[in-house]
Parts: sequence; structure tokens; C-alpha cells
Amino acid sequence: DSGVTQTPKHLITATGQRVTLRCSPRSGDLSVYWYQQSLDQGLQFLIQYYNGEERAKGNILERFSAQQFPDLHSELNLSSLELGDSALYFCASSVTGFSGELFFGEGSRLTVL
Amino acid sequence: AQKITQTQPGMFVQEKEAVTLDCTYDTSDQSYGLFWYKQPSSGEMIFLIYQGSYDEQNATEGRYSLNFQKARKSANLVISASQLGDSAMYFCAMRVGVLIRDTGNQFYFGTGTSLTVIP
Repeated sequence: DSGVTQTPKHLITATGQRVTLRCSPRSGDLSVYWYQQSLDQGLQFLIQYYNGEERAKGNILERFSAQQFPDLHSELNLSSLELGDSALYFCASSVTGFSGELFFGEGSRLTVL
Repeated sequence: AQKITQTQPGMFVQEKEAVTLDCTYDTSDQSYGLFWYKQPSSGEMIFLIYQGSYDEQNATEGRYSLNFQKARKSANLVISASQLGDSAMYFCAMRVGVLIRDTGNQFYFGTGTSLTVIP
């Protein structure tokens, strides 16, 4: 158990819909990262938050948005869903300090029909 | 540019043999960290091993060792005595950013290597 909690674990929805994925980082971790992993693909970095503020942005679509709340949990909002958005979405958190690795949640598997 | 390259999409190894998974990186940062993660078919990402850019000794964690060659910018993962449970995707990753605080730390991942252990 990495200590990073993601909900829901599985989600099936239709094209055009909107979903929210939630992440609770490990206790004390201030950084939260979101990644998308499509079928048989590598990890695509979406966005990073540190202590409530956006710190880095990757290949995140305009239809996607995220935020980190004062209690440090984070939400990734995906709207106007398309078939191609079907993927495993990971949240990860890291400790303060340079040597800290990323701790991953179990992922939220999104299927868009 | 920050980049991680894994040139082996798939690898096969006989059970109980050793295998090396290649990883090269590119960064202009002097301080960085290198990681390997394992992703079994169940999907979770499992941290295996870490190497800091200033570490002089190669990192080892049980059957995993990281062959760090700084001049060549390579960070190959060596798995000794392969087991059937080692069959998985393996990702090499790099952490760069501000040394003092992690506000700017970013992680870069390679495309992964699929390892199959043959009985």
C-alpha cells in the first residue's frame, strides 16, 4: 500500500459526459501529480500541484482540469469525454526533498463508451 | 531537454537468469534522481530502486541493481535470478528540478520495456 488513495477504481461512462477523479496523497506529501496511461502506452504527464498551486503542466487537454484543495487532496475533472480518453489515470505524490520517489495510487480506470 | 529513452520494447529472459533493461537519460541539470518502476498486469506502479546523480555507488535493492554510468547517461536496471513474477512492464524515470525544495521537481518517464520471464 503506497498510501496514495484514488477513487473511483473503475468508471464507465458515455461520450460527452464529465467525470471527476479524486486523489488523496500520502500524509505529509505536498506534491500531487496526475498521469494518463492509455492502453499499451507509457505514462503521459498531465499536471502537477504543490501545496495547492499548479507547478507544472504536461500534455493536458483543455477539456481536462485539475485542482488541489487546502487539505491537499486533488481532483482531476475530465469533460466532453471522447472514446480516446479511455485510459488508466494515475495520481502520485512525492515527499519533500530531492531523493523522494513518486508514490502511485492504484489508478482509476476510465472506460468511455 | 529532459528525456528518458528505453529502446527495448520487449525482452525475454529464462527463469533464474539475469537480465538488463536499458535506460538512457538526457538532462542539463546537475542534480537529478533516477528511478525504476515495475508495472505488473494488474496495473499498479511499484517503485523498485533509486539512484541519485551524486551517488558514487550503484544502487542495489535485493535482486535489483542499477548500473549507473554517468558519463554515458545510462541507468540500466539489472535483475538477477529472474522469477516468473518479474514478468511486467518496467519504466525508467528521472526526477529533475530545484534541489532545495521540491516545488519544481518534475518526473520524466520512458516508454517502458515489457519483460517476459520464460519458465
